[in-house]
Amino acid sequence: GQQVMQIPQYQHVQEGEDFTTYCNSSTTLSNIQWYKQRPGGHPVFLIQLVKSGEVKKQKRLTFQFGEAKKNSSLHITATQTTDVGTYFCAYNTNAGKSTFGDGTTLTVKP
Amino acid sequence: EADIYQTPRYLVIGTGKKITLECSQTMGHDKMYWYQQDPGMELHLIHYSYGVNSTEKGDLSSESTVSRIRTEHFPLTLESARPSHTSQYLCATKDRANEQYFGPGTRLTVT
Repeated sequence: GQQVMQIPQYQHVQEGEDFTTYCNSSTTLSNIQWYKQRPGGHPVFLIQLVKSGEVKKQKRLTFQFGEAKKNSSLHITATQTTDVGTYFCAYNTNAGKSTFGDGTTLTVKP
Repeated sequence: EADIYQTPRYLVIGTGKKITLECSQTMGHDKMYWYQQDPGMELHLIHYSYGVNSTEKGDLSSESTVSRIRTEHFPLTLESARPSHTSQYLCATKDRANEQYFGPGTRLTVT
C-alpha cells in the first residue's frame, strides 16, 4: 500500500542548532499530519496540512506541504532540550485509517 | 488534554495466558484505533472501528481481537499471549477533523 518514508531516521544536534525532518511519498497525498512522541510517551498531534504548498508555523516549528503534495517537512529553529523525541508524519486514507512514517528521532545535546 | 484512558499501564504475563487491554474515551469519538509500537519505532495499526458494532483488522497481522459494544469502550484481547507480543499497545481516537488522540499506552511483557 501507499507508504511515507521519513529521513533522517536519527538526528543529533547541539542545542541552538536547527533541525529538519522530511516525509516523502511516491504518490499524491490528500493530507499530511505531524505528531511528536516524547521518550516513554505517546504520540501527540502537532498539525495537519491539506493544501498544496501550504506552510504553517507554531512558534519555532515550521511545517510545509509540497506543491505536488508528495512531500512534507518539519523544521525546528534553534532547538531546545524540550524538543527531544520522535517526530512522525502520517496521512489519512479515504477509508479512515492513518498510515505513519518510520519517524525521525531527535536528540539535543545541551 | 484528550480524555482517553488505557489500563493496565504495565503488564507482565506468562506465555499462553489470555489478556484484555482496556481502552476508554469520554470524547464521544466514533473512530477508534489500536496500534502496536516497539520503543522508538513506527506505529503499526492492528485494529480499528468506525463506531458501535464496527471492527476491522489493520495492516499488521495480529492474533488479537477487539469489540465495540459501546462508543466509549474498545478493548483488545489476546487469547494466548506469546513472547512475540511483547510491545507497547496504543489506543487512539479520531475526531471529525481527523486529528488523533492517543492514550498513554500499555507496555506488555510476555515471559
